[in-house]
Amino acid sequence: NAGVTQTPKFQVLKTGQSMTLQCAQDMNHNSMYWYRQDPGMGLRLIYYSASEGTTDKGEVPNGYNVSRLNKREFSLRLESAAPSQTSVYFCASSEQGAHYGYTFGSGTRLTVV
Amino acid sequence: KNEVEQSPQNLTAQEGEFITINCSYSVGISALHWLQQHPGGGIVSLFMLSSGKKKHGRLIATINIQEKHSSLHITASHPRDSAVYICAVRPNSGGSNYKLTFGKGTLLTVNP
Repeated sequence: NAGVTQTPKFQVLKTGQSMTLQCAQDMNHNSMYWYRQDPGMGLRLIYYSASEGTTDKGEVPNGYNVSRLNKREFSLRLESAAPSQTSVYFCASSEQGAHYGYTFGSGTRLTVV
Repeated sequence: KNEVEQSPQNLTAQEGEFITINCSYSVGISALHWLQQHPGGGIVSLFMLSSGKKKHGRLIATINIQEKHSSLHITASHPRDSAVYICAVRPNSGGSNYKLTFGKGTLLTVNP
């Protein structure tokens, strides 16, 4: 099925460990995004990539890095995981322009102990 | 103050009832999105609006740009409609106009 694929779906890390969350879309969208979702808060933007070859910080970028590997793939890396990074992470993609919808991945539930 | 406010935060209804969820925002926007998230699930886009009204099945979304307000209505609600409904806006401020700002969501529970 066309859409946004995120891996893994679940992950438990120890404090200080590193990991990369993978995201791929097959809709030929230019823009891709990483969000985190925490209880009682709206989705918050971590990083985004407006187009292939560009990445920019969102609201909460500290502790994360991203790579736009190609037009399809946008990965999120935690270099040294902290308990405050326990969250559900969503990748999304869209076309550029105001009147295009977003497609979200199914999420990655990350726990840092 | 959050740029996007939803009300109510929680809503419990009986099957068959007419549901309204409200969203108010404080910035100029180019589009407003309504999203649905089932418990433990992914996020699905329901509607994208820039004016007027859209309908899909039992769901209706309206927007009043002048009043900076949108509503999501569910007619003949069903237990499978139980989910978190999220309002998100796409501000039209310069270079950020492709990023969304999200409300905190409305948790809807429809009892049989």
